[in-house]
Parts: sequence; structure tokens; C-alpha cells
Amino acid sequence: DAGVTQSPTHLIKTRGQQVTLRCSPISGHKSVSWYQQVLGQGPQFIFQYYEKEERGRGNFPDRFSARQFPNYSSELNVNALLLGDSALYLCASSLNSGNSPLHFGNGTRLTVT
Amino acid sequence: KNEVEQSPQNLTAQEGEFITINCSYSVGISALHWLQQHPGGGIVSLFMLSSGKKKHGRLIATINIQEKHSSLHITASHPRDSAVYICAVYQGSQGNLIFGKGTKLSVKP
Repeated sequence: DAGVTQSPTHLIKTRGQQVTLRCSPISGHKSVSWYQQVLGQGPQFIFQYYEKEERGRGNFPDRFSARQFPNYSSELNVNALLLGDSALYLCASSLNSGNSPLHFGNGTRLTVT
Repeated sequence: KNEVEQSPQNLTAQEGEFITINCSYSVGISALHWLQQHPGGGIVSLFMLSSGKKKHGRLIATINIQEKHSSLHITASHPRDSAVYICAVYQGSQGNLIFGKGTKLSVKP
């Protein structure tokens, strides 16, 4: 069975541009969460979606948005990119929105120049 | 003060040594995760626990809810255990995982 897949794996963007990152959860998993990991730091929670509804949002500006599709895949959008948005963006899926084990993708490494 | 503190930040061990990584947290939680992150960036979930102790192979995780403390132990460490180990706590139904900064472990042959 396929694990959590994220695309693209690497991305280079210019300040002010917009980016869309994609995540496909493990089959049967209804919850997807997104995390930002800046180099040398632990991940920071951005969003959680469950059954296509936003269930949680971290302390990130409105430039960050996400959605979950009927097939439970998810997209993370970041508008008006800043240099500080350069990071590894991780997606994790779980069976439900509660205390379920998390399965992480390999991440998308975003570089903003 | 961070809500999740890990110690040590860096750890170098010789192959075969017993290793302990500690995690303390200051918030109420419903579960605690131990994660392993290799240099490529991918994260593997090692344990999710809300009480007591769990064991998987050479890895043991314990949690003391009253003391708000968890430990990850690695017995008979091996160079392939070299990675960053991250503690993360799950606060409640809103999916908010709070992560520690990680412990970078290097096991020398």
C-alpha cells in the first residue's frame, strides 16, 4: 500500500510568487495535517483537515491556506512568498482527527529567492 | 519557554551504548509522539503513547503523565540509529501537534 505522497519534492520560487503543494494520504485515512520545518528547527503545525473541513490552524498568516478534496488529498497554498517561507513542508495523514498514529510524507523542500 | 523541551540537543554515542532522550512538556496533552527524522527529511513515527510504556525492537518509550515527562530509550545502539529524534505532543481535538526541537543522535562504529 502506498504511503503518504507529496509533490513536488523540491521547488524554487521568487519572492512575491504563489505556490501550491500537494499531498495524497494513505488510502482510508481521512485526516491530513500540514507542518512547516525551517532548517534546524522542529516542525510547526500549520493546518489539519478532517473530512474536508478545517479542524485546526496554527499561528500562520492568512497567506497560508489549504483545502481537502473529496478523495481526502490536500493542497497547501502560500501566497506572496517571503524569503522566510523557505522550509521543508511536511504532510501527515491519520485515520481520524483524534489520537491516531501519524504517517508522514517525505516533504516538499521550498526555496524562496 | 518552549512548551516541549527535549534534552540533550545533541548526543554522540559509541555503537552498543544504551541511549536515553528526554522530553518534558508544560501543557495538557492527550497523546505524545516520538518521531525519527533522517537527513533526507522524511519523518517516521516511532511511538504514540498516552500512558505507561511501549516497546518496539530495541526502542522503548515511557511516559509519566503526572510529571509531564517522557523518555525514549535505545538499547544496543547502532550507527543506523543516527538521526534526529523529535518529541511531539497532541493537545486535543484540533489537531495541534506541538513539536520539540529534536535531539540529534550520532552513533559511531
